[in-house]
Amino acid sequence: GENVEQHPSTLSVQEGDSAVIKCTYSDSASNYFPWYKQELGKRPQLIIDIRSNVGEKKDQRIAVTLNKTAKHFSLHITETQPEDSAVYFCAANPYNNAGNMLTFGGGTRLMVKP
Amino acid sequence: DAGITQSPRYKITETGRQVTLMCHQTWSHSYMFWYRQDLGHGLRLIYYSAAADITDKGEVPDGYVVSRSKTENFPLTLESATRSQTSVYFCASSEPDRDPLHFGNGTRLTVT
Repeated sequence: GENVEQHPSTLSVQEGDSAVIKCTYSDSASNYFPWYKQELGKRPQLIIDIRSNVGEKKDQRIAVTLNKTAKHFSLHITETQPEDSAVYFCAANPYNNAGNMLTFGGGTRLMVKP
Repeated sequence: DAGITQSPRYKITETGRQVTLMCHQTWSHSYMFWYRQDLGHGLRLIYYSAAADITDKGEVPDGYVVSRSKTENFPLTLESATRSQTSVYFCASSEPDRDPLHFGNGTRLTVT
């Protein structure tokens, strides 16, 4: 089955700096790669996603890049703010969009210091 | 997102007891999922359902039972709870090519 590795497990940045979280996946058939943000005690919420026919996608301060050849994708957050502090999960869909079934990475705890 | 609700939010039970976690969605999504979240393991898929009366195992199904008699409901039952099943359980739903995966608020289950 699919295996998703996520790094780093914790990341501390100064407010205003950029943050990058990286994920690798094992199943070359995966074609959908979402990112979820989970604040303390809350549910994971989708913040951005990318499909395999696109190399990069941006939404304001957030961007995701995908390298299908190398089987890795990354989340980039620019101009970080304290409210960006949360746990971020990457995921991959190993079943060719069968209901968006996802395998998740282990998560990255991002801390933005004011 | 009031479209997917879980109950109860918190549950404490004893080892060996049966407990059922409820999940209800109002989006008419065909797919529903149960994940458990543990420190160090992220989110792991327990069971999923592609439609009413169709269910299948995920990564960690042992000790759990699911049913889906109606599209909107997807209860998860622990037939004989064990301490290793202490976790936060998230229900989620999605509709292929229309709606991505959305999570409920979660149920924090403690097995003593």
